[in-house]
Amino acid sequence: GNSVTQMEGPVTLSEEAFLTINCTYTATGYPSLFWYVQYPGEGLQLLLKATKADDKGSNKGFEATYRKETTSFHLEKGSVQVSDSAVYFCALRGPFGNEKLTFGTGTRLTIIP
Amino acid sequence: KAGVTQTPRYLIKTRGQQVTLSCSPISGHRSVSWYQQTPGQGLQFLFEYFSETQRNKGNFPGRFSGRQFSNSRSEMNVSTLELGDSALYLCASSLYREQETQYFGPGTRLLVL
Repeated sequence: GNSVTQMEGPVTLSEEAFLTINCTYTATGYPSLFWYVQYPGEGLQLLLKATKADDKGSNKGFEATYRKETTSFHLEKGSVQVSDSAVYFCALRGPFGNEKLTFGTGTRLTIIP
Repeated sequence: KAGVTQTPRYLIKTRGQQVTLSCSPISGHRSVSWYQQTPGQGLQFLFEYFSETQRNKGNFPGRFSGRQFSNSRSEMNVSTLELGDSALYLCASSLYREQETQYFGPGTRLLVL
């Protein structure tokens, strides 16, 4: 079945540092890949997505590239802010009709001023 | 467009009781999925509904059930509550097409005492 392996947390960085959160996946065919973010006490918000190989998703300074050859979708940001502190989830949705989202375990990110 | 709404936001129940949670999808979205989020198990898929029919189901006991109405609103019910049912229950809606993005509501936080 489908699975997502996500970088263990928690991750603590100083403001303006470079961020990478690793995500690799196992899936049949060509899934869609997503990063969701969850702020304290809230639901999940879609951060970015990519639906085919070599696509780059981007939003709010975050980027991730769909790498079929390495089955990866690593999240990056060049300069993090305190407001980026949250839990980040990598997820995939299989290519066949009504497939569910499969999530990674989440990475808690804390940015220190 | 209004986002996914879930009611109630918070709920406290005792063991053995039953509970019903409600979800209103984004206007025009006909697919509704439910997920359970706990610190120990992470995000787990419960079920998905489309056109009032359950299309996909996760590995949860029969105490967990759901339904969808003709206006796409959905409810999930948990009977004979157990302490382990304490969780954040998230609803997500999407257009019913392959690999469509799921948009999440704020969740209902259930505490079972």
